[in-house]
Amino acid sequence: AQSVAQPEDQVNVAEGNPLTVKCTYSVSGNPYLFWYVQYPNRGLQFLLKYITGDNLVKGSYGFEAEFNKSQTSFHLKKPSALVSDSALYFCAVKVITGGGNKLTFGTGTQLKVEL
Amino acid sequence: NAGVMQNPRHLVRRRGQEARLRCSPMKGHSHVYWYRQLPEEGLKFMVYLQKENIIDESGMPKERFSAEFPKEGPSILRIQQVVRGDSAAYFCASSRGTVNTGELFFGEGSRLTVL
Repeated sequence: AQSVAQPEDQVNVAEGNPLTVKCTYSVSGNPYLFWYVQYPNRGLQFLLKYITGDNLVKGSYGFEAEFNKSQTSFHLKKPSALVSDSALYFCAVKVITGGGNKLTFGTGTQLKVEL
Repeated sequence: NAGVMQNPRHLVRRRGQEARLRCSPMKGHSHVYWYRQLPEEGLKFMVYLQKENIIDESGMPKERFSAEFPKEGPSILRIQQVVRGDSAAYFCASSRGTVNTGELFFGEGSRLTVL
């Protein structure tokens, strides 16, 4: 079985400061890893994904994530946070073999960026 | 190019009534996934369908819930004899059939309230 853990329910950051949203995963195979963002009363929007190759993945809106196989982590980062980044962030995992694009999501981390 | 369309966006039902939620995938997408979002619990996978086939229903409750994706028309998630615990946001996502490394594209969700 595959699973994702997001250990922080909420992360507070001052605008302009770097942000990190943590994610660890557990799979019995090589993972595909994803980050999605959800704004209030909206659906999820894709931010970035790791499939293979370079461990540092760049995505939308200046976000990036680093795949760390030894620590089974895929933390989301941004060098300088904006108030408009405030939203709910989900990490997700998919095992490479089969299952279509069925993703297993974490419980989400609420990011709050303050002036 | 329209995105994933879900309707209704909001649905209110009394206990014991039926709820029908509809999802039209993105153009060119033949795979549909339904997820349920409960407060504090993140997104839980329910069912994965292709046209006229249920591929994976491991997340569907054993009773009262059913899903279909007919050859023509939208995918339908049907909840019979709703109870208060069914109150949640239900999200549909779609993906291309031949690309298993791709991300999911989500609709805006249908928010069910059971009185």
